[in-house]
Amino acid sequence: GESVGLHLPTLSVQEGDNSIINCAYSNSASDYFIWYKQESGKGPQFIIDIRSNMDKRQGQRVTVLLNKTVKHLSLQIAATQPGDSAVYFCAERSGYSTLTFGKGTMLLVSP
Amino acid sequence: NAGVMQNPRHLVRRRGQEARLRCSPMKGHSHVYWYRQLPEEGLKFMVYLQKENIIDESGMPKERFSAEFPKEGPSILRIQQVVRGDSAAYFCASSPPTSQGKRTEAFFGQGTRLTVV
Repeated sequence: GESVGLHLPTLSVQEGDNSIINCAYSNSASDYFIWYKQESGKGPQFIIDIRSNMDKRQGQRVTVLLNKTVKHLSLQIAATQPGDSAVYFCAERSGYSTLTFGKGTMLLVSP
Repeated sequence: NAGVMQNPRHLVRRRGQEARLRCSPMKGHSHVYWYRQLPEEGLKFMVYLQKENIIDESGMPKERFSAEFPKEGPSILRIQQVVRGDSAAYFCASSPPTSQGKRTEAFFGQGTRLTVV
């Protein structure tokens, strides 16, 4: 069936660097995408979303880029901080269907 | 405005017992979703409910698992005759009714960690 997957299982960066987490999706009908952050022992926390009629959306220190041509989504975190260490999931939705999650990328930020 | 509340946070059951997981959605939210997460894996969709209706249960195992979202009270995910393979974190999410074609994000609870011994 359709699936959402991530390229890198673990990303290690230094504090202050910019981080880029990538996600590939296969359902061409997906029209809504969300990035979630999950810290150890906690539930997923909404970070930012983007609809398919956009290719870029910015939040506070985060930017999501959507390339529908190659079905690719990325999350950019500026000036990464130790508190950003977590597992990051992309999720996609088609119409009013439920969210489908990828496996996740662990971001490790070293001081 | 309280977030999505799940209880208990941790649940230990012996093989063959029943597990009941509760989820109270955010105020004003009428859509509830249940997901299961195994260690170091993503969230797997189980079931999507609205008040008194199951909208999509394509992710639910055919046996032993059931879910409800009554008119009053929390949503319940029930697992009968638990086995060790049921050990996982179970997350509930809620979202408000969609309006004007907007697709809103789902907000997650802190999860219930079920351990079957």
